[in-house]
Amino acid sequence: GNSVTQMEGPVTLSEEAFLTINCTYTATGYPSLFWYVQYPGEGLQLLLKATKADDKGSNKGFEATYRKETTSFHLEKGSVQVSDSAVYFCALSDKPTGNQFYFGTGTSLTVIP
Amino acid sequence: ETGVTQSPTHLIKTRGQQVTLRCSSQSGHNTVSWYQQALGQGPQFIFQYYREEENGRGNFPPRFSGLQFPNYSSELNVNALELDDSALYLCASSVAAEKTQYFGPGTRLLVL
Repeated sequence: GNSVTQMEGPVTLSEEAFLTINCTYTATGYPSLFWYVQYPGEGLQLLLKATKADDKGSNKGFEATYRKETTSFHLEKGSVQVSDSAVYFCALSDKPTGNQFYFGTGTSLTVIP
Repeated sequence: ETGVTQSPTHLIKTRGQQVTLRCSSQSGHNTVSWYQQALGQGPQFIFQYYREEENGRGNFPPRFSGLQFPNYSSELNVNALELDDSALYLCASSVAAEKTQYFGPGTRLLVL
């Protein structure tokens, strides 16, 4: 079946530190992969996506590369800011299951000045 | 362009009651999906509606039901509420052939 596994949090970093949040997946077909971000009290916002192997999604300084050989889609950012504090969700969408999204459990990030 | 909107923002119900949550999809989107997000967890897929028909369902009991209207807005109905139904309910819309889902702000339901 389909599933997403994220590194457990919470993660606390100092401002300007390097961020990596690990995400691995299992899928029955050829999934599209996504990172969503959720700020306190809000819904999910699309951060970036990749639809096929070796694609790199990027947005707001965040990036993630679709690695089929390692079934991974790790999120990275070179220099985090306090405003990046949020919960980050990795997700996949697999064509055989239509538009259903499978989410990881989320990784909470706190950036301290 | 108007994004996905949901109403109400918060709701308190008692066990055994029924609740209806509403969602207006983003302009140009004809597919609506509903998710339940328990505290500290990732969203879990409830079901999806495409052109007013249910188009996939997750592992939720039949007391979770829905509708989609000709303008592509949608309702989620939950009967016989249980304490474990307390969660954030998220609606997401998408163009059917395009895989990106855009989420609304959610409705936070508390069942006492």
